[in-house]
Amino acid sequence: DAGVIQSPRHEVTEMGQEVTLRCKPISGHNSLFWYRQTMMRGLELLIYFNNNVPIDDSGMPEDRFSAKMPNASFSTLKIQPSEPRDSAVYFCASSFLLRQETQYFGPGTRLLVL
Amino acid sequence: GDSVTQMEGPVTLSEEAFLTINCTYTATGYPSLFWYVQYPGEGLQLLLKATKADDKGSNKGFEATYRKETTSFHLEKGSVQVSDSAVYFCALSNTGNQFYFGTGTSLTVIP
Repeated sequence: DAGVIQSPRHEVTEMGQEVTLRCKPISGHNSLFWYRQTMMRGLELLIYFNNNVPIDDSGMPEDRFSAKMPNASFSTLKIQPSEPRDSAVYFCASSFLLRQETQYFGPGTRLLVL
Repeated sequence: GDSVTQMEGPVTLSEEAFLTINCTYTATGYPSLFWYVQYPGEGLQLLLKATKADDKGSNKGFEATYRKETTSFHLEKGSVQVSDSAVYFCALSNTGNQFYFGTGTSLTVIP
């Protein structure tokens, strides 16, 4: 299996621009998680989906952030408008929808907002 | 609520030294416990896991034992290598499938 695929791997943008991060989970997995990692705040869960339905988005920092999962094989995380403080590494992870099942992480998207 | 507390870093060791990274947890019921490793520029990778009390997870020379009486899951390795330099995360998963991660412990192994 190819594992969790994220694109782009690196993104540099200017403040105010829209940013879209993409994730393809492992085939057959039906839970998907978006995380953000920074030096200051560590690893934070932003939102997660079970069977394409958002379950908990309490970690989404503010209305500028939105996430969708239109089907079982694709999810997006959008930031509009972006701000310098959004600079971070964004990880997508997927798992089977079973209690206490292992999560598998993608390589991350390193975002820099100037 | 559920949470994980792990040893503050950074940790610097000489090659072939013994490694311990402490992890304790707070949770109701019977969580599963995990150690993940993150190499520079990469995502988190599962290192090992344990799903019930007294289970020992092991992989690549690393071990951790699920101790319910002390609510701990300490990571150990008898002889570290330079290639073990990475950030190590302790995590738990409980009644749902959400994970709770520790803050990470950075390990540097010098030759």
